[in-house]
Amino acid sequence: GNSVTQMEGPVTLSEEAFLTINCTYTATGYPSLFWYVQYPGEGLQLLLKATKADDKGSNKGFEATYRKETTSFHLEKGSVQVSDSAVYFCALSPRANSKLTFGKGITLSVRP
Amino acid sequence: AAGVIQSPRHLIKEKRETATLKCYPIPRHDTVYWYQQGPGQDPQFLISFYEKMQSDKGSIPDRFSAQQFSDYHSELNMSSLELGDSALYFCASRPTSGISYLEQFFGPGTRLTVL
Repeated sequence: GNSVTQMEGPVTLSEEAFLTINCTYTATGYPSLFWYVQYPGEGLQLLLKATKADDKGSNKGFEATYRKETTSFHLEKGSVQVSDSAVYFCALSPRANSKLTFGKGITLSVRP
Repeated sequence: AAGVIQSPRHLIKEKRETATLKCYPIPRHDTVYWYQQGPGQDPQFLISFYEKMQSDKGSIPDRFSAQQFSDYHSELNMSSLELGDSALYFCASRPTSGISYLEQFFGPGTRLTVL
C-alpha cells in the first residue's frame, strides 16, 4: 500500500537557521506529493505540492523537489523564522481524486 | 475567499452518546473527505464523497456513518461513542476542475471530546 515516512522529531532551530525535513514515500505509479502545515490550534494548510518527477514546489521560502529515483520529497528553507513554528506533514495522493496518506508529522520549534 | 466550514468547532459527549459533525465545502467543490486526527497523530482518512455518492472508504468504524447532501454539505454521524473517538475531525473539499483540482482544502476541524 501507500505510505509516507518522515524523519523523527521534534526539531528545534534558532531563527535564521537552515531547515531540512526528510520525507520518503512508497507508492505505485506517480503520486502527487504535498507538504501541509498545522499551526497550533488550527487546521491543515497546504504549504506546497508537486505532481510529477523533478517538479519543485515552493511557497513562503519553503521548497521541496519530487525525486522519483529516491522516492523523496524533502522540505527545505534557507532561513527559518519564529513564525514557522508548527507541525509539518508530508502527504501523498496516488490519483487526483484520492484520499491523502500522511506521514507522522514533525514539530518544528524556532527560537528567537 | 470562502473556506471550508465545520460545525461545531468543539463538542463534548459522554460515552455511548451520539454526535453529528457537519461540513460545508467551498462553493463549487463537489468532493468531500473526512479525516480523524488523534492526539499527536497524523490525520487518518475515514470516508469521501463525490457528487453525493460515497467514493472511498478508509478505517471508519461501523458505528460511524456519513452522507453528502444535495447542497454538497456532508455530515458525519457517530454513535455509541467511545473514549477512543476523542480526536480532531477534519473535513476537506476539492474541486474537480481548475488549477487547484489536486488540492484538498481543509476546514478548521471539530474537536470531539468523549468523557
